[in-house]
This record gives sequence, C-alpha cells and structure tokens, in this order.
Amino acid sequence: GNSVTQMEGPVTLSEEAFLTINCTYTATGYPSLFWYVQYPGEGLQLLLKATKADDKGSNKGFEATYRKETTSFHLEKGSVQVSDSAVYFCALKADVSGNQFYFGTGTSLTVIP
Amino acid sequence: DAGVTQSPTHLIKTRGQHVTLRCSPISGHKSVSWYQQVLGQGPQFIFQYYEKEERGRGNFPDRFSARQFPNYSSELNVNALLLGDSALYLCASSLWISGTYEQYFGPGTRLTVT
Repeated sequence: GNSVTQMEGPVTLSEEAFLTINCTYTATGYPSLFWYVQYPGEGLQLLLKATKADDKGSNKGFEATYRKETTSFHLEKGSVQVSDSAVYFCALKADVSGNQFYFGTGTSLTVIP
Repeated sequence: DAGVTQSPTHLIKTRGQHVTLRCSPISGHKSVSWYQQVLGQGPQFIFQYYEKEERGRGNFPDRFSARQFPNYSSELNVNALLLGDSALYLCASSLWISGTYEQYFGPGTRLTVT
C-alpha cells in the first residue's frame, strides 16, 4: 500500500537554525512527492514537489530531494525564520489510480526569536 | 485568480443531523477532492471527482457522499452525524503541471458535532 511516515514533533528551533524534517514513504510504482505547509487556521499550501528519483524540489529556501534508494524526501532549510512556524506535511501521490494523495501526520515547527 | 473557496467556514451540528459542505475549485480545474483532517492528524482522502464522475473513494462509510456540478463545484454530504465526524474538511482542486497533478487546497470548513 501507500503511506507516509514523518518524524514526530513538535520541533522548536531558534531563528537562523538549520531545519530537517524527516519523511519516508511506502508506495507502489513511482510516486510524486510533496511538502505542504499549514499555517494556523488555514488550509494547506503547496511548498515544493518532486516527480522522479533524484529530483530536488525547492521553494522559499526549503529543499527536499527524492531519494528512491532510501524511500525518503526529507525537508531542509538552512536558516529558519519566525515566519516559518507552521505545521509541515509530507505527501505522496501514487502514479496510478487517480489523484488520491496520502499525507503524513504532520510536524509542528515553532521558531523562536 | 481566486483560489479554492469553501463554505461555510464553521459549522456546529448535533449528533444525527445532516450537513452539506460546498466547494468551488480554481477556475479551469476540473477535478475536486475532499479530505477530512482530524485535529493533530494529516488529511485523509474521502472522495475525488473529475468532470462530475467519482474517480476515487477513501475508506469512509456510506454516510458520506458527494457530487460535482457542471460548473465543477462540489458538495460533500454527511448523514447521521457522529461525534467522531468533528474535523476540518478540506477541498482541493487539481491541475496537471510539470509531470504530475498538483492539488490546491481551500481554507476548509470546521465542523463541530455536539
């Protein structure tokens, strides 16, 4: 089956610290991988994506590389800001059977000044 | 362009009642999906519709139903509400971009069942 596992939170970092949020997946075929961010009281926003092995998705200083050999898609940012405080979700879309996305449980990030 | 819109924003119902949630996709998007997000969890897939036809259904009871209209807007209906149906219900519209479908989410409808 298809599933996503994310590191447990919450994560608290000081401003300008390095961020890593781990994500591993199980999927049939060759899925596309995504990171979404959810700010308090809002819906999910697409942060970045990768559609095939070794692709690197990047946006707003965040990066994630699709690693097929380790079935991982870890999110990284070199220097976090207070405004990055949010919940981050890793997700996959299997390459078959429609548009169903599978989400991890989310990782809450708080950045303190 | 306007994003995905959902109504209402918040809703309070009692057990056993029925609820209808509404969603308008981004202009030009023909696919709409519904997700349930329980507090502290990731979204769980409920339904996907493409051009008015159901294309996918998650592991939810028959109390949950949906439909899509000719203008691609959609409704999610839940009958015989249970306390466990309390959640944020998210609608997403999809577009094929750069080798895959991207889903764009609305702000959600917060349903509280008492």
